[in-house]
Amino acid sequence: NAGVTQTPKFRVLKTGQSMTLLCAQDMNHEYMYWYRQDPGMGLRLIHYSVGEGTTAKGEVPDGYNVSRLKKQNFLLGLESAAPSQTSVYFCASSYGTGRLAGGYEQYFGPGTRLTVT
Amino acid sequence: AQSVSQHNHHVILSEAASLELGCNYSYGGTVNLFWYVQYPGQHLQLLLKYFSGDPLVKGIKGFEAEFIKSKFSFNLRKPSVQWSDTAEYFCAVNARYGGSQGNLIFGKGTKLSVKP
Repeated sequence: NAGVTQTPKFRVLKTGQSMTLLCAQDMNHEYMYWYRQDPGMGLRLIHYSVGEGTTAKGEVPDGYNVSRLKKQNFLLGLESAAPSQTSVYFCASSYGTGRLAGGYEQYFGPGTRLTVT
Repeated sequence: AQSVSQHNHHVILSEAASLELGCNYSYGGTVNLFWYVQYPGQHLQLLLKYFSGDPLVKGIKGFEAEFIKSKFSFNLRKPSVQWSDTAEYFCAVNARYGGSQGNLIFGKGTKLSVKP
């Protein structure tokens, strides 16, 4: 049982390049999340998904897109990377049961450290 | 909108000292509360959580937290810290009901440095 895994672990991009971060979970969780972590800012939610085929915007969605084609995978895309997107990106997942979903803790992946030059 | 405030940005303690990290949240409804820990270079791990019942919650590694509803607080405590507790600690809250879909709102974190 691997939990939540993220690919890649590290990446350096030039401004304007694109890339996709992959998150996978093997816990059959309904909900998945992408966060970015910046020094002194805590974790901020980028996008989330409450089930296969659904996505929604979080607190800081600009410059990112996501897709949840399969329940176990949640992809985060950067179409045209900018230096402001230099950050550590964490994926998380949780059980979800509609309006009572708030009761479930989130399980985090190991993170992807992205540098945009 | 919900928000979480952690009072201390960086706390430095000597081993065996007692720890209390403050956390206050802003939300008028029923909430679930969490403390996560992030050891250097690692991902976030759950320390403890409060959903309902006894407001004094015990977690892993000797940590505990007390939910005081009237003060909108969920402070983290440990009677005697160890060097291995050096990490960053995040308080988080989500609304138990409503349309937020269980999204966690995190505080900005408190770095704890324990001197051996």
